[in-house]
Amino acid sequence: AQKITQTQPGMFVQEKEAVTLDCTYDTSDPSYGLFWYKQPSSGEMIFLIYQGSYDQQNATEGRYSLNFQKARKSANLVISASQLGDSAMYFCAMRERYSGGGADGLTFGKGTHLIIQP
Amino acid sequence: DTGVSQNPRHKITKRGQNVTFRCDPISEHNRLYWYRQTLGQGPEFLTYFQNEAQLEKSRLLSDRFSAERPKGSFSTLEIQRTEQGDSAMYLCASSFTGANYGYTFGSGTRLTVV
Repeated sequence: AQKITQTQPGMFVQEKEAVTLDCTYDTSDPSYGLFWYKQPSSGEMIFLIYQGSYDQQNATEGRYSLNFQKARKSANLVISASQLGDSAMYFCAMRERYSGGGADGLTFGKGTHLIIQP
Repeated sequence: DTGVSQNPRHKITKRGQNVTFRCDPISEHNRLYWYRQTLGQGPEFLTYFQNEAQLEKSRLLSDRFSAERPKGSFSTLEIQRTEQGDSAMYLCASSFTGANYGYTFGSGTRLTVV
């Protein structure tokens, strides 16, 4: 089974609109962390936001917020007031304590290609 | 020290040749990771180091792949007898132990095997 599922291969959004990128995850580890990364065409993975499994409040970083619904194993990224520069691939990732992906290593989803239209 | 540096940015090689990539992590970070990303996929974990010790390797890392991190500083990833299936972006990341925010990625090395 996929550990990280991103169901939206691509999205087109009008500039200045809010956008929600979906992410569901699968783990039996009670301690885990969820990350969102942005990858522009240049290839670099840019960290956006982090949510720990024990965090009581949803994480926010500027225009980015993470809608964390633990019971549903959902960690959607919300971008408010989208900008043309937000066009990129967006990856959801998880760190588990016993993932086998290297201690503190990340397991990534397949990504969502977001295109902001003027 | 502005981030994780990877060289070269692009590498085109003929099938069967050996290639070596270099990663210079953020100097204070003790952990270094290698990931591979193929077209249309998210990055996949290959291996990681804590200081100079290579602590884990993915089953994706065949015996043609070897990674080193001498003295716990920069790291090299070598692929011997390259195959077309090795064509991918190779990403390096570094972090502090247990850091929640400290996964800093480099811009990657794009390998094309022809």
